[in-house]
Amino acid sequence: EVQLVESGGGLVQPGGSLRLSCETSGFSFSDHYMDWVRQAPGKGLEWVGRTRNKANRYTTEYAASVKGRFTISRDDSKNSLSLQMNSLKTEDTAVYYCARGALRGGTSFDYWGQGTLVTVSS
Amino acid sequence: DIQMTQSPSSLSASVGDRVTITCQASQDISSYLNWYQQKPGKAPKLLIYDASNLETGVPSRFTGSGSGTDFTFTISSLQPEDIATYYCQHYDYLPPITFGQGTRLEIK
Repeated sequence: EVQLVESGGGLVQPGGSLRLSCETSGFSFSDHYMDWVRQAPGKGLEWVGRTRNKANRYTTEYAASVKGRFTISRDDSKNSLSLQMNSLKTEDTAVYYCARGALRGGTSFDYWGQGTLVTVSS
Repeated sequence: DIQMTQSPSSLSASVGDRVTITCQASQDISSYLNWYQQKPGKAPKLLIYDASNLETGVPSRFTGSGSGTDFTFTISSLQPEDIATYYCQHYDYLPPITFGQGTRLEIK
């Protein structure tokens, strides 16, 4: 059974840092792109960023809203994904989901974690 | 960046009704379009990928169509468990990946 479990969310002050983790199981993690998607309270979905797989040199991409502040990394030996968030702003408050990129040619997210809530507030 | 315009933003329908949601891209995106269902307090669930392909395990009352700039998502006969918010999502090799604004579906 494919599972993605996020952790690390919580309350942080503006300007602070937080590191989210996504532990996975039940599939060949190293084969997949992995993404982070967030959802502010009562709002829609916003893509945050991606790490590609080893075959694509683990390259990363970020949304403009987080570029330079957030860093995505992965550890294929531990089947885990991380999101390092620095210089946090109040507008970063959201539920953060990790999502698996399907192995089909296009990019669809076929499995998601349950999400972890990040609240940026003083 | 490509913009996705999803409509309507909310919709009320009766059980058994045919429901249609549209998503329009600001430029030609071929068939690079997916549809998701999100129930309150839950993670999104992939329903349709590459515009018209039904994800494994998803009921056949859900269909998708379109290519280029105009896409349609249809529920052929609305069921009570279909109450959710639905999102379209565009992708390309080079991000950003963009979601539509969402359509909140309610039972009349």
